[in-house]
Amino acid sequence: DAKTTQPTSMDCAEGRAANLPCNHSTISGNEYVYWYRQIHSQGPQYIIHGLKNNETNEMASLIITEDRKSSTLILPHATLRDTAVYYCIVRPYNNAGNMLTFGGGTRLMVKP
Amino acid sequence: DSGVTQTPKHLITATGQRVTLRCSPRSGDLSVYWYQQSLDQGLQFLIQYYNGEERAKGNILERFSAQQFPDLHSELNLSSLELGDSALYFCASSAGTVNTGELFFGEGSRLTVL
Repeated sequence: DAKTTQPTSMDCAEGRAANLPCNHSTISGNEYVYWYRQIHSQGPQYIIHGLKNNETNEMASLIITEDRKSSTLILPHATLRDTAVYYCIVRPYNNAGNMLTFGGGTRLMVKP
Repeated sequence: DSGVTQTPKHLITATGQRVTLRCSPRSGDLSVYWYQQSLDQGLQFLIQYYNGEERAKGNILERFSAQQFPDLHSELNLSSLELGDSALYFCASSAGTVNTGELFFGEGSRLTVL
């Protein structure tokens, strides 16, 4: 998997948007950007993924820059339950032999 | 609830012992993955099975082994346990027959080796 770089930690006020950045400057043309999160000691949870277009689902929005070298995960109205470690992962889609490789992630703390 | 079931949730054992962790994937999922998460290593991929056959192997120690049974449940066997094997062990499964990167994780089995 291409290497990703994320800030170690971030704070966000409850009710505000949380914008989590990720740099993936060596991403290849066939690699997607995936986001997972892990709430304290629970199993990681899939959030969203995308190739080059912006994506939105019920959990979050994913904004990928035009050159695809970076992306931002947006939680539009963060709640205390969104406090978690957020992992940005790049990998080829539909590749049975290429596992999800988790880095250090960003520890998001949502504060009242 | 991801639909992936792991047992036991907690396990305490002594060095040198052997344990078996069990995973039931989501209904219909053919692939099962095992990950280890320790404090100093983060989430590490161990091994993947697809429909009973080993498909990919990560940094899995020789003391560890896994298998997937005909009913698709999987077991991770850890032997000659060492203190450093204390960790959370997660099982995940993927939808359908193709690994699209969307994995569904169980709640994990916390192993403590004393």
